[in-house]
Amino acid sequence: NAGVTQTPKFQVLKTGQSMTLQCAQDMNHEYMSWYRQDPGMGLRLIHYSVGAGITDQGEVPNGYNVSRSTTEDFPLRLLSAAPSQTSVYFCASSSSTPTNTGELFFGEGSRLTVL
Amino acid sequence: KQEVTQIPAALSVPEGENLVLNCSFTDSAIYNLQWFRQDPGKGLTSLLLIQSSQREQTSGRLNASLDKSSGRSTLYIAASQPGDSATYLCAVDNNDMRFGAGTRLTVKP
Repeated sequence: NAGVTQTPKFQVLKTGQSMTLQCAQDMNHEYMSWYRQDPGMGLRLIHYSVGAGITDQGEVPNGYNVSRSTTEDFPLRLLSAAPSQTSVYFCASSSSTPTNTGELFFGEGSRLTVL
Repeated sequence: KQEVTQIPAALSVPEGENLVLNCSFTDSAIYNLQWFRQDPGKGLTSLLLIQSSQREQTSGRLNASLDKSSGRSTLYIAASQPGDSATYLCAVDNNDMRFGAGTRLTVKP
């Protein structure tokens, strides 16, 4: 009964370091996405994917890279961490159609602090 | 650009009260609208999804309505309980998901 699994749950980085947040889902969902949640701002979409080999930018993509080599996995890479990237990151998936995201299932979140 | 607003930002009510949470959006060309619940330190859990062709959805004590023409949705919680205390977020889908900042609900015993 895993659903959407994110690792790590907590991470502290120094400015300039790189890292990858992992996201895996076992529901055979085509649509996967990454959000960041900052106090008072709701969730903002970073990148999303509608299927293996297909990715696209969301509202706040700068400083982040994604790839989708399999249906199950959608890692988020921070290339050179900055303090502005301190946030809580959520991965989500859904069984979407081309015109309808459908019900979103979220992971538990990854809390990232950049010093 | 789609803007999603939730009012109030925080709400405190006594147990047993019926309450309404509001969500407004600026672009009515949406595919669907979802309401989520978020407990502290946790991810979001989908409560109700309303397709663009629907006017409302119900699940237990929860009822969500959608009025696309006015850009509004409401989440009605009947007979509130302390276990309902959480942050409630709405999100609209028109090519990508846009979230409101949420309403933090506290239900006092």
